[in-house]
Amino acid sequence: DAMVIQNPRYQVTQFGKPVTLSCSQTLNHNVMYWYQQKSSQAPKLLFHYYDKDFNNEADTPDNFQSRRPNTSFCFLDIRSPGLGDAAMYLCATSFSTGMFAEQFFGPGTRLTVL
Amino acid sequence: AQTVTQSQPEMSVQEAETVTLSCTYDTSESDYYLFWYKQPPSRQMILVIRQEAYKQQNATENRFSVNFQKAAKSFSLKISDSQLGDAAMYFCAYKRGSQGNLIFGKGTKLSVKP
Repeated sequence: DAMVIQNPRYQVTQFGKPVTLSCSQTLNHNVMYWYQQKSSQAPKLLFHYYDKDFNNEADTPDNFQSRRPNTSFCFLDIRSPGLGDAAMYLCATSFSTGMFAEQFFGPGTRLTVL
Repeated sequence: AQTVTQSQPEMSVQEAETVTLSCTYDTSESDYYLFWYKQPPSRQMILVIRQEAYKQQNATENRFSVNFQKAAKSFSLKISDSQLGDAAMYFCAYKRGSQGNLIFGKGTKLSVKP
C-alpha cells in the first residue's frame, strides 16, 4: 500500500545533541510537510517542500532545518534540541498545495529530550 | 490570522449512539476548506471528511456527517452509530487558498463505551 513512513517511531536524544528524523513516501506526492505536535496541543506546521522549493513558516525556530534529497525522502534536522522540543513530529504529503488536496500523514516520531 | 477552536477536550459516547464534536473557526476569507481528521492512539492521522466553504450542502461520509454553518463559522462533526473503532483524537482543521498548511484545533478525545 502507498504510504507515508516515519523512522524511527521513538527517538531519544540528549540536550544539545543533533538529531535527524526521517520521512519517506511511496505516494509520489509533490509536497512534503513537517508538523510539530506537543502534548495536548494542535499540530503546528514547521515547513514544507513543494518539489525542491523549501517553504519555512515564519515562526519556525532556526534550530529546525529540513532536507529533501529526492521526491521520496524528507528529513527534519534539529541542530541543538532543547527540552522544549520534545514532541511528536508528524510528516505529511499531498499531491499539491491546493485547498482540495488531502494531506496523508505518517504515524509520527515521538522525540524525547533528556 | 486564522484560528480553529475545539471547545470539548474530551467526549464520551455509548456504542451505537450518536455524538457531535464541535468546531468553530475564525477567518476573513470567503473560500476555504474545512477538514476533520482522526488520530487513533499510536497510529497515523487520517482524513474523515472535508467541506468546501462554497458548498452549502453538508458533506457526508457513511456514518460521519458535518453541520457546516458558514455565517456562524461553525463546523461540527456528527458520528452516528458509534463504534469502538471510532475512539480516537479528532482534529478540526482549516485550509485556505494555495498556502498548503492546515491550521488545526487542539483536538477532542473521543471515548466509546461498550
